Amino acid sequence: EVQLVESGGGLVKPGGSLRLSCAASGFTFSSYSMNWVRQAPGKGLEWVSSISSSSSYIYYADSVKGRFTISRDNAKNSLYLQMNSLRAEDTAVYYCARSKVAATNYFDYWGQGTLVTVSS
Amino acid sequence: QSVLTQPPSVSGAPGQRVTISCTGSSSNIGAGYDVHWYQQLPGTAPKLLIYGNSNRPSGVPDRFSGSKSGTSASLAITGLQAEDEADYYCQSYDSSLSGSNVVFGGGTKLTVL
Repeated sequence: EVQLVESGGGLVKPGGSLRLSCAASGFTFSSYSMNWVRQAPGKGLEWVSSISSSSSYIYYADSVKGRFTISRDNAKNSLYLQMNSLRAEDTAVYYCARSKVAATNYFDYWGQGTLVTVSS
Repeated sequence: QSVLTQPPSVSGAPGQRVTISCTGSSSNIGAGYDVHWYQQLPGTAPKLLIYGNSNRPSGVPDRFSGSKSGTSASLAITGLQAEDEADYYCQSYDSSLSGSNVVFGGGTKLTVL
């Protein structure tokens, strides 16, 4: 059974940093692209970032470019999102999601999400 | 303002058929990029409902169907059931002069009357 479990969310002050993790199991992690998608409270889905299976291709939404860094460790079956210079508008539930191809493809499995709150 | 436009809400009685539209442009749906649909039940993570415009993942009832034409796509739900009450999102890819991105519709809340 495919499982994606996010962790690392919490309350952080504006300008602060946070690192999210996503632990994957039930599939060959190194064969899939991985993605982060967020959802602000009461709002719709917003794609954040994608990384290809071997980390060769990395993409970011304009809203996080230069502030967020996506990475993965295939040996640990884990996906990460380093978030720096956080703003109030980054407050959201962050989901990790699997896809066959980075960015252009659909997300066939999602984690349960981890809440990030940016507030003073 | 989302790149893909969906109606904020739709409703229908049990057993009825409803459709949800997803309108894009020549830089996304009209450029030939596939459209995918997700169902998000209250308080849960999104779930893939339709991929590649009209394909259903294993386990998704055939009451759900998708189509695409020109710069738009549609999700149809027949034989509406109470458990279909959820938010529905379309997703595609957008490639324009300002860059390329995964794009979502703003979401449609389906109410089963």
